[in-house]
Amino acid sequence: GDSVTQMEGPVTLSEEAFLTINCTYTATGYPSLFWYVQYPGEGLQLLLKATKADDKGSNKGFEATYRKETTSFHLEKGSVQVSDSAVYFCALSPTTSGTYKYIFGTGTRLKVLA
Amino acid sequence: NAGVTQTPKFRILKIGQSMTLQCTQDMNHNYMYWYRQDPGMGLKLIYYSVGAGITDKGEVPNGYNVSRSTTEDFPLRLELAAPSQTSVYFCASSYPTGTSGYNEQFFGPGTRLTVL
Repeated sequence: GDSVTQMEGPVTLSEEAFLTINCTYTATGYPSLFWYVQYPGEGLQLLLKATKADDKGSNKGFEATYRKETTSFHLEKGSVQVSDSAVYFCALSPTTSGTYKYIFGTGTRLKVLA
Repeated sequence: NAGVTQTPKFRILKIGQSMTLQCTQDMNHNYMYWYRQDPGMGLKLIYYSVGAGITDKGEVPNGYNVSRSTTEDFPLRLELAAPSQTSVYFCASSYPTGTSGYNEQFFGPGTRLTVL
């Protein structure tokens, strides 16, 4: 079945460091791909998305490119801030007609130190 | 739009009690979902619905029931609460694109439930 594999956390970085959180997927069809962010005590918020191969999603300085050839959707940010400390989830949409379940990774906790 | 709203925000139950977690969305989305998130863990799908009157089980449905009588509301019922149901519960909604794809899910703020 479809699946998402996300790098284990926690990831601890100093402010202004470069961030990469790896995400790879397996899917039978052509899913849309998402990154969600969860701040402490809150629900999940969409951070960015990409709907087809080679699309780049971007928001708040974060970027991720839908790579079909490597089945990856790695999240990057050039310079993290303390306010980016949160848990990040990679997810893919249902891929075939008649299925409705989204698949989530296990989440990667990011801690940014001042 | 208020988006997806959930009530209550917090609740403490005693073992064996019952309660209903409310979820409402005002975006006219067809699809709605209930997830639970245990401390430090990812999301597990409890139930989902693809429209009024249609529901189906997710990964962890035991101990829960749902109904979908309207497009807007998707309540989750806990019968005979157990300590294993201590978790944060999130409701989400989404809608298909016009070309047989799927858009992102919109999440509510969650309900923190403790069963003692």
